[in-house]
Amino acid sequence: GEDVEQSLFLSVREGDSSVINCTYTDSSSTYLYWYKQEPGAGLQLLTYIFSNMDMKQDQRLTVLLNKKDKHLSLRIADTQTGDSAIYFCAETSPYSSASKIIFGSGTRLSIRP
Amino acid sequence: SQTIHQWPATLVQPVGSPLSLECTVEGTSNPNLYWYRQAAGRGLQLLFYSVGIGQISSEVPQNLSASRPQDRQFILSSKKLLLSDSGFYLCASIQGQGRGYTFGSGTRLTVV
Repeated sequence: GEDVEQSLFLSVREGDSSVINCTYTDSSSTYLYWYKQEPGAGLQLLTYIFSNMDMKQDQRLTVLLNKKDKHLSLRIADTQTGDSAIYFCAETSPYSSASKIIFGSGTRLSIRP
Repeated sequence: SQTIHQWPATLVQPVGSPLSLECTVEGTSNPNLYWYRQAAGRGLQLLFYSVGIGQISSEVPQNLSASRPQDRQFILSSKKLLLSDSGFYLCASIQGQGRGYTFGSGTRLTVV
């Protein structure tokens, strides 16, 4: 079945760039997402990329997609303390019943001064 | 845009007691609705989804059930809670593929 994998933790210094990586197995994935979860809150959609794109940039966020390797990354430039959160990679495909989205286990980003 | 309301925000229930968590959606009609559980320090597990009134699909066998009595209402229930039912429960809605889910703010359930 479909699977999405991420590393569990990432620690970066304030002001540096953060790069969160994700791999997925479903070659028919059409949409890939990055969600952010702050402590005790629901998930917030940060950005998404369609599978025919290689890159998408939105202010401090850059998403890179390597479809051949089934690898997705999220780069956060000039990381701030407010970026501390869990980041979930997720994907869906047109063959997914009821538009189900498959989530990774999340990467906890911590910021050190 | 869609808004999802979930309540209560936190709940502490004894083992063996019943459960009812409610989710309502505003700003859309005929959405697909989903219940996820997030155990402490872990990812999201899809529990149930619904594509319409009265239509429920279960992803994993468990002690919980779901119902959709109205287009924009999704309810998660249990007759007798287990300790393992503790977790953070999230309701989600989607209007169409590609737009991603909209999530509610979640209910933190602790079974004691």
